[in-house]
Amino acid sequence: GDSVTQMEGPVTLSEEAFLTINCTYTATGYPSLFWYVQYPGEGLQLLLKATKADDKGSNKGFEATYRKETTSFHLEKGSVQVSDSAVYFCALRMNAGGTSYGKLTFGQGTILTVHP
Amino acid sequence: GAGVSQSPRYKVAKRGQDVALRCDPISGHVSLFWYQQALGQGPEFLTYFQNEAQLDKSGLPSDRFFAERPEGSVSTLKIQRTQQEDSAVYLCASSHRRAADTQYFGPGTRLTVL
Repeated sequence: GDSVTQMEGPVTLSEEAFLTINCTYTATGYPSLFWYVQYPGEGLQLLLKATKADDKGSNKGFEATYRKETTSFHLEKGSVQVSDSAVYFCALRMNAGGTSYGKLTFGQGTILTVHP
Repeated sequence: GAGVSQSPRYKVAKRGQDVALRCDPISGHVSLFWYQQALGQGPEFLTYFQNEAQLDKSGLPSDRFFAERPEGSVSTLKIQRTQQEDSAVYLCASSHRRAADTQYFGPGTRLTVL
């Protein structure tokens, strides 16, 4: 079945450091890909998404590019802030058709801690 | 406008008790999803409603789990005869209409079964 694998955490960085969180996926078709973020005490929020190969999703300084050839959707940010400390989830959704009904398949999450 | 709300936020149950978890989706949202998130894991799909119709319940782990959305708005996830392995955060998400629409998540209900 469809699955998502994220790099092991936790990740600890100093403020202004470069961030990469790796995500790879396995799917029978061509999914849409997402990064969700969960800040302490809050619910999951959509951070960015890409719906087809070579698309780049971006938001709040974060970017991820949909790479079909490597089945990857790595999250990057050039300069992290303390306020970026959160849990990050990579997810996929199979597109219209079939019986997926839009359900999301998530990775296990990566805890990011940014120190001043 | 109001987001997705869930209640209670925390629930402690003794093994064998029945529990009911409520989800209030964003007003007007047609699609509603339930997910289960075990500690240290990502959310896993449980079930999906389009209006009042439960179109996919393939993720429900056992027949002790039951969900309903009788009027196409509020949804309730019921777990009968709770077991320790049911301890998790239960997340509800809603989306406007189509499967392709963005899912908005509630804060979750943390269930602890003793």
